[in-house]
This record gives sequence, C-alpha cells and structure tokens, in this order.
Amino acid sequence: AQKVTQAQTEISVVEKEDVTLDCVYETRDTTYYLFWYKQPPSGELVFLIRRNSFDEQNEISGRYSWNFQKSTSSFNFTITASQVVDSAVYFCALSESVPTGANSKLTFGKGITLSVRP
Amino acid sequence: DTEVTQTPKHLVMGMTNKKSLKCEQHMGHRAMYWYKQKAKKPPELMFVYSYEKLSINESVPSRFSPECPNSSLLNLHLHALQPEDSALYLCASSQDRRQALVGGELFFGEGSRLTVL
Repeated sequence: AQKVTQAQTEISVVEKEDVTLDCVYETRDTTYYLFWYKQPPSGELVFLIRRNSFDEQNEISGRYSWNFQKSTSSFNFTITASQVVDSAVYFCALSESVPTGANSKLTFGKGITLSVRP
Repeated sequence: DTEVTQTPKHLVMGMTNKKSLKCEQHMGHRAMYWYKQKAKKPPELMFVYSYEKLSINESVPSRFSPECPNSSLLNLHLHALQPEDSALYLCASSQDRRQALVGGELFFGEGSRLTVL
C-alpha cells in the first residue's frame, strides 16, 4: 500500500529563516508522481510541484527548492528566506497509477503546519 | 484565483435537509474529484469522475450522491447527513489519462465548508 509520511507536524520560524519540510514515501509502483501542495487559511489547495519517479533532478523555483532522492524515498521541500505569507499547511502527496480512467488518485501525508513569525 | 469554482463557500444544514454542493471548471479537464477534509487532517478522496462517468467511489455512504451532468460541472447531493459529516469539501479537476499520459496535477477549488447541525 502507498504511504506518505510527514513526520514534522508543526514548524515555527522567524521571517527570513530557511526551513525544510520533510517527506518520506512508500510505494511498490515503479512509475509514480510526487507532489507538494500548499493550503493557506483560505482553504484551497495550491499546487506547488510535481515530480515523476524517473526525474531525480532537484528543482528550484524562486525561494522554493525540492530535493528528490529515490535512494531514501524522500522528497523534501525547502523555503529559503521565509516570509509571513508562507504560513500555511503543506502537504506532500503521492499519486497511484490507476489502470483505467482518471490517473491521479493522490495519497496525502498528514501535512505540516508552518508558521512564519515577523 | 483558483480556476475551479465551488459554491456555496459555507453551508449549514440540518440532518433532515437536502442540499447540493456545486463545482465548475473550464480548463477542459475530463477528470473531476470530490475530497473531504476534516480539521487538521489531509484530504480524503470520496469520488472520481472520468469523462462524466463515475470511476472511483471510496465506499462513501449513500447519503452523499455525486453527479456529473457535463464535463465542466460536478455536483455533490447531500441528504440525511450526520453531524460528523461536517467538514471542508474540496472539488478538484485534472487531465484524464486519455488526455495526457503523464500523471496530472490536481487543481483544487477553495472548498465548501459544511456544518451539519
């Protein structure tokens, strides 16, 4: 069975600090996709990144960066120079290959609540 | 702004009421989803529609009845709900496997916050 573990539940940092959110996953699939979503207080889930299992390149997008390591089944997310607007719940998710029909059945981790203090 | 629109944003209903949640997207996605999210928990999948046909039902009680009248709309009909059904209901859409071979990202709406009294 698929599983996503986000061991950190709550993180509090002061603005401008760097923070890393950890994600460890389990799957038997050889082809899978990993995602990070942000959920601000407004409630919607905002897509941040998708990474497929064949692409282990790290990615940087502005202040955000992701480190995907298949050897340790981890997909960690780092926010550099955090800002108050980064305060939200962050979910790591793993998509399960579905043989027919819709192709995105996501298994979510429990989420990490990030608070950035001014 | 999200490209998936959900109405209403807030709904309060009694256990004998019948109400509906609505979701709309115009991104040409042919897969649409209902998720339920309790406070401080991750979203849980309820239903998936693929090309307007129900493809996944995660053993959801029959008091929740989904409907996909066309490729842009997804409804969730509610009847005889229980207080424990109070939650945030999230709609999402994505490209279906027949539209794109790669795993598509889900686009989520802001959710409908349901309170059952």
